[in-house]
Amino acid sequence: GNSVTQMEGPVTLSEEAFLTINCTYTATGYPSLFWYVQYPGEGLQLLLKATKADDKGSNKGFEATYRKETTSFHLEKGSVQVSDSAVYFCALKNTGTASKLTFGTGTRLQVTL
Amino acid sequence: NAGVTQTPKFQVLKTGQSMTLQCAQDMNHEYMSWYRQDPGMGLRLIHYSVGAGITDQGEVPNGYNVSRSTTEDFPLRLLSAAPSQTSVYFCASRIQQNTEAFFGQGTRLTVV
Repeated sequence: GNSVTQMEGPVTLSEEAFLTINCTYTATGYPSLFWYVQYPGEGLQLLLKATKADDKGSNKGFEATYRKETTSFHLEKGSVQVSDSAVYFCALKNTGTASKLTFGTGTRLQVTL
Repeated sequence: NAGVTQTPKFQVLKTGQSMTLQCAQDMNHEYMSWYRQDPGMGLRLIHYSVGAGITDQGEVPNGYNVSRSTTEDFPLRLLSAAPSQTSVYFCASRIQQNTEAFFGQGTRLTVV
């Protein structure tokens, strides 16, 4: 079956530091890949996505590239801000599988001044 | 601009009590889902629906029922609450299989 593995947190960084959160996946076929972000006290919201190999999703300074050869979708940001403190979830969805997103366990990011 | 609305935001139940978590969306989305979020386990799918009158089980359906009488509403029923159902519950909706899912703000449920 499908599975998503994320690096364990929490990740603590100083403001303006470089961020990488690793995500690898196992899936049949050609899944779509997503990063969701959950700010404190809120629901999840889509941060970025990629639907095929070598696609790069980007939003709010975050980027992730769909690497089929390494089955990875690592999240990166060049310079984090305190406002980026949140929990980040990597997720995948197979084509044709109705309404089922498979999530990783989430990685908590804490950015300090 | 309501999106996905969940009620209540917080609830405390005694073991054995029943209750319904409400979820409504105003985006005319066909697909709706319920997830539970537990520490170290990410989000796990409880039940989902691909349209009014159609529901199916997810990964962890035991102890929960759903129905989908309208496109807008997708309530989740706990039949006899157990401490193992203490969790944060999220409802989500989307228009097609591979597009963005929109999540509600969650319901934090504690069963004592």
